[in-house]
Amino acid sequence: SQQGEEDPQALSIQEGENATMNCSYKTSINNLQWYRQNSGRGLVHLILIRSNEREKHSGRLRVTLDTSKKSSSLLITASRAADTASYFCAGGTSYGKLTFGQGTILTVHP
Amino acid sequence: SQTIHQWPATLVQPVGSPLSLECTVEGTSNPNLYWYRQAAGRGLQLLFYSVGIGQISSEVPQNLSASRPQDRQFILSSKKLLLSDSGFYLCAWSVRLVLGSGEGYTFGSGTRLTVV
Repeated sequence: SQQGEEDPQALSIQEGENATMNCSYKTSINNLQWYRQNSGRGLVHLILIRSNEREKHSGRLRVTLDTSKKSSSLLITASRAADTASYFCAGGTSYGKLTFGQGTILTVHP
Repeated sequence: SQTIHQWPATLVQPVGSPLSLECTVEGTSNPNLYWYRQAAGRGLQLLFYSVGIGQISSEVPQNLSASRPQDRQFILSSKKLLLSDSGFYLCAWSVRLVLGSGEGYTFGSGTRLTVV
């Protein structure tokens, strides 16, 4: 079963704008992770936030986690055309298992 | 450095034929290993995971099986493929975890399987 639901399903913005993607999950998690996938390729790990953390930064990425609402958001600041990809959230549970959402397709126009 | 190899990149197989996809990890020991399937570029579905040699847990009842004959080798198999087995198969590894902690996965480049 899918753990997360991303919102929006697709996002189209101009270069330089910020992109915000949201994720909701259903069951308890140990951590929440975000991945990026370029078309037809494997996924690349972007950032992990633990269940006892509320906000985390990595370069142009900012992720928040609200365990009371079972939701997370990923913000990409000053987006670039190279950020065009699908972005997935995934809830981490026992034995390191990840349950993925359906993903957000981000298109950044130059 | 750790690397993960997955092959082949693409595969076209007839219905009823067998399947064997292999995944190997280098540069680490005792990894957790995972097989995922992705349909139509959307969400990933966990198929199998393994925390050690010969230890396989199945998440979804299906026409597939997995084996881990060596610490860093994970194999996905089928005796007879179905049309519904078509998809993008991804292998991944993570460090052996302490309960409550978490680390990101490293994914292979995937195998696109088309059953015809």
